[in-house]
Amino acid sequence: GAVVSQHPSWVICKSGTSVKIECRSLDFQATTMFWYRQFPKQSLMLMATSNEGSKATYEQGVEKDKFLINHASLTLSTLTVTSAHPEDSSFYICSAFRGATDTQYFGPGTRLTVL
Amino acid sequence: GESVGLHLPTLSVQEGDNSIINCAYSNSASDYFIWYKQESGKGPQFIIDIRSNMDKRQGQRVTVLLNKTVKHLSLQIAATQPGDSAVYFCAEIPYGNKLVFGAGTILRVKS
Repeated sequence: GAVVSQHPSWVICKSGTSVKIECRSLDFQATTMFWYRQFPKQSLMLMATSNEGSKATYEQGVEKDKFLINHASLTLSTLTVTSAHPEDSSFYICSAFRGATDTQYFGPGTRLTVL
Repeated sequence: GESVGLHLPTLSVQEGDNSIINCAYSNSASDYFIWYKQESGKGPQFIIDIRSNMDKRQGQRVTVLLNKTVKHLSLQIAATQPGDSAVYFCAEIPYGNKLVFGAGTILRVKS
């Protein structure tokens, strides 16, 4: 149990386009999901906290207009990278918080490459 | 700012030996700590956790030790196997449900 999926697993796009990444909790409901970014050989950095039915909370230094987060249901959060540029190329990982176990469960990640 | 750091960026061990991965944390208010394993191109995988009211917790082949006095965590892996090769992160929760990750240690297991 407690499976989190991400789609797509990898995406290549041209500079200036927008990319949407989905995060789904498959067998539990998650009122809170988190989005992380990870550059090569670095740690995970929290970008934002996604709350179902309300606005996301962004960490300092993360542009909310560039990284749009929507948490429209208890099992789905989306991250849209708008007007992507090569410096946005990274590994994006989501996690879903399961209250019953007080635990975050991580998705497999999405590799974004912006040309 | 607050951070969780690691002493060793890379650890190489011989198959069958025990591995010890260390982590220093800075937020004395943190009361929950987790070790994750991340294989290349994958998301973090939960290994073991420990709360601040404990000094030691054991799992299958893994043990986490917590020393609150010096704000230090360690992960011990017994009889390290090639499949244990990965990056290991410690993480703390200083408030709410937000995880603060350490820098990571690469564990390489030599056959």
